[in-house]
Amino acid sequence: QVQLQESGPGLVKPSQTLSLTCTVSGGSISSGGYYWSWIRQHPGKGLEWIGYIYYSGSTYYNPSLKSRVTISVDTSKNQFSLKLSSVTAADTAVYYCARDEPRSGQIDYWGQGTLVTVSS
Amino acid sequence: DIQMTQSPSSVSASVGDRVTITCRASQGISSWLAWYQQKPGKAPKLLIYAASSLQSGVPSRFSGSGSGTDFTLTISSLQPEDFATYYCQQANSFPRTFGQGTRLEIK
Repeated sequence: QVQLQESGPGLVKPSQTLSLTCTVSGGSISSGGYYWSWIRQHPGKGLEWIGYIYYSGSTYYNPSLKSRVTISVDTSKNQFSLKLSSVTAADTAVYYCARDEPRSGQIDYWGQGTLVTVSS
Repeated sequence: DIQMTQSPSSVSASVGDRVTITCRASQGISSWLAWYQQKPGKAPKLLIYAASSLQSGVPSRFSGSGSGTDFTLTISSLQPEDFATYYCQQANSFPRTFGQGTRLEIK
């Protein structure tokens, strides 16, 4: 059973960089075959897809966030990470890491989510 | 980006009722559509993928249909644990996009 767990600061100051890490257990990122993704949900709102990384390091980012997003992978630790720069209060959200099954495109495993608040 | 529009935004129903939620894509996505259930404070849970395939472990009262631009999620006989918010997601292309959600409430 694949499990994902987000970790990182719950409070970030405006203009700083939000950094989160997702640790995967029960499966190996380096085995390939899946897109490792970040998705966020503003309080009381819907779901916004941020981007993915493949085990090889190839990425795809949502154009709406592309200028501020970096996703990286550390296969030795079975982790992938999100960095979002120049944050504002509009980036306050629950951030989920997840696994995207590319053959039919569903997101079949999700982390529990972590709330990140942007505030001074 | 492909826009996903769900209707209704909210629906009230009783235990035992049959409920249908609709999702429309702004362009054709073949059968590349997934449905999720989300309860307060929890991550979304995959219910249906490829428009009509039931995810392992999901009760058979959930079913999905459609192709192209129009899709439906049907719950055949509502159970108390089904009251939640439901999202569709297009899996045809990146960026992945979601519907705005349908909140299913107890009548």
